[in-house]
This record gives sequence, structure tokens and C-alpha cells, in this order.
Amino acid sequence: GQGVEQPDNLMSVEGTFARVNCTYSTSGFNGLSWYQQREGHAPVFLSYVVLDGLKDSGHFSTFLSRSNGYSYLLLTELQIKDSASYLCAVRETGNTRKLIFGLGTTLQVQP
Amino acid sequence: EAAVTQSPRSKVAVTGGKVTLSCHQTNNHDYMYWYRQDTGHGLRLIHYSYVADSTEKGDIPDGYKASRPSQENFSLILELASLSQTAVYFCASSGGLGQDTQYFGPGTRLLVL
Repeated sequence: GQGVEQPDNLMSVEGTFARVNCTYSTSGFNGLSWYQQREGHAPVFLSYVVLDGLKDSGHFSTFLSRSNGYSYLLLTELQIKDSASYLCAVRETGNTRKLIFGLGTTLQVQP
Repeated sequence: EAAVTQSPRSKVAVTGGKVTLSCHQTNNHDYMYWYRQDTGHGLRLIHYSYVADSTEKGDIPDGYKASRPSQENFSLILELASLSQTAVYFCASSGGLGQDTQYFGPGTRLLVL
């Protein structure tokens, strides 16, 4: 059906990396955004992708495959403070600028 | 840095009472949005607006009204609050064409008893 899907939880180790996956099936596609949300706080924008391929932004990188309806957020050199929820959101075509959010993946970074 | 503020930050309301949540942005953005976030449902769009004096229904508008008296201000109104409206409410704003990033306010935690 229509929607944005993410795994609920992900665990990784400080100093390594974590890949947060997102799959989507929506009515049209006009870009995908990633947000970080800490417990009790608002979502904070991380990255926006609209073209296929890897977008390297240093600590956070994003990959998009429109034909597969798939994206991932890659966090490298993990720190304990990267523990948070990561939200994937797809913007549908049209003038509304509406975002369809996934439920988020809670990343836990262990020492 | 984008600036979206919300008031109040938390509120306790009684069932059947009226609740107004306010949002103010200083980004000069045309688009503003109201979301609610609940465990198990994620962020869901209630109402949005792309110009002052006009609002549009989002995905879950029932039980909510919205008001956009100016570009900077966007309110969410619960005329008859219900227990099911207990949630965290986020306001967001975004610019026009080519400026698709949504910037979120800090949220309002609403408890309806």
C-alpha cells in the first residue's frame, strides 16, 4: 500500500557506522527528506535528496534509488550523541509541500 | 537559522473545552503546517496553509480548525477537546519553490483529561 516504511530500531557501536533504511510507495515523488528527532524535541532537518545516487554530507550521507522506492541515511564515525530517532519523509508531487513521514527508526549507539 | 516558536509548550485541558495552540515564524515562509505525533503513528498532518487568510485540510483534520491571520502566525483550534486529542503537536514552516525544507517548532504537549 501507500506509505513510508522504516525499521523500528537499530543498534550500533560508537566509532563505527549505521545505515537507516527507508522504503516508500507514494502517489508521485518530489524528493525525500531525513530528520533527526531526539526524545522530547522537535525533528531537525538533516538532508534532502531528489536525484538518484549518494549525497555525501560528511557525518551524514544519503542514498536514493527512485526506481526501487528506497533511500538510506548513513551515519559514519558514530558518537553516543547520535542516539536518536531518524525520520524519513517523502514529498509528493503537487503544490502542497506535504510530507509523508515514516514512523522513524530509533538508533541506539553503544560504547 | 529558521525560527518557529509555539505556545503554550504544554497544556492540560478538560474534555469538551476549547484549546488554541499558537505558532509564530520569523522565516518569511509562505507555507505553515500543523502535525500531531503519537506513539505508533508518527507525524500526521492536520492542517496546512500556503497563504495568509487561507487554510487547507491535511490528512486528519476532523476535530480541528486552523487559522492563518498573517504570514507569521498559524493557530490550531480544538473547539471541543477530546481524550483522543492528547498528543504532541508540532508546527512547521517552509519556503516556496526550491525551498522544501520544513522547519519545526519545539512542540506543544497537550493532555486532555
